[in-house]
Amino acid sequence: GQQVMQIPQYQHVQEGEDFTTYCNSSTTLSNIQWYKQRPGGHPVFLIQLVKSGEVKKQKRLTFQFGEAKKNSSLHITATQTTDVGTYFCAGCWDSNYQLIWGAGTKLIIKP
Amino acid sequence: EAQVTQNPRYLITVTGKKLTVTCSQNMNHEYMSWYRQDPGLGLRQIYYSMNVEVTDKGDVPEGYKVSRKEKRNFPLILESPSPNQTSLYFCASSLWWRDTEAFFGQGTRLTVV
Repeated sequence: GQQVMQIPQYQHVQEGEDFTTYCNSSTTLSNIQWYKQRPGGHPVFLIQLVKSGEVKKQKRLTFQFGEAKKNSSLHITATQTTDVGTYFCAGCWDSNYQLIWGAGTKLIIKP
Repeated sequence: EAQVTQNPRYLITVTGKKLTVTCSQNMNHEYMSWYRQDPGLGLRQIYYSMNVEVTDKGDVPEGYKVSRKEKRNFPLILESPSPNQTSLYFCASSLWWRDTEAFFGQGTRLTVV
């Protein structure tokens, strides 16, 4: 079945450093969504990317969808303590009725 | 307030004792689903429902049952829980299965001993 691979599993950064997480699919996605889960919380929708090569920004967050619609990335510039949590991508294909989730990348701010 | 409500938040039970986790949404969403979340594995879909009386298996359906008798409710049933079903469970709803954001409940932390 379809899978979405997400790396890295963890990323430790100093506050103020940048953070990036990557998602890859072996087959072309219909769209991809990104969610954030704070510690002890539930996933919260951030954004959806649909078009090939799409780039969207939300303040310090930049989301990209690859030209082939097989990969995506989330980049956070100058991390803050409020960014702590796990970031998930979730892919959607035309051929099924599910969102398939990546394993998530946990952002940890070093003290 | 638009929300997905799950109950209970925490549950400790013994092997083999049937249990139900309730899920209700007030957004008139068509699509509802159940996930389990385990460390390092992300969210894995257990069952989903496209509409009333329409349910289908997700990626990890073994040991679970669901029903969708009303649009707003989508309970998850464990007929005979086993320790390998110890996990964090989330119910989610969305307007449709694609191109719309999923709204999640607060989660149910289940421990089976």
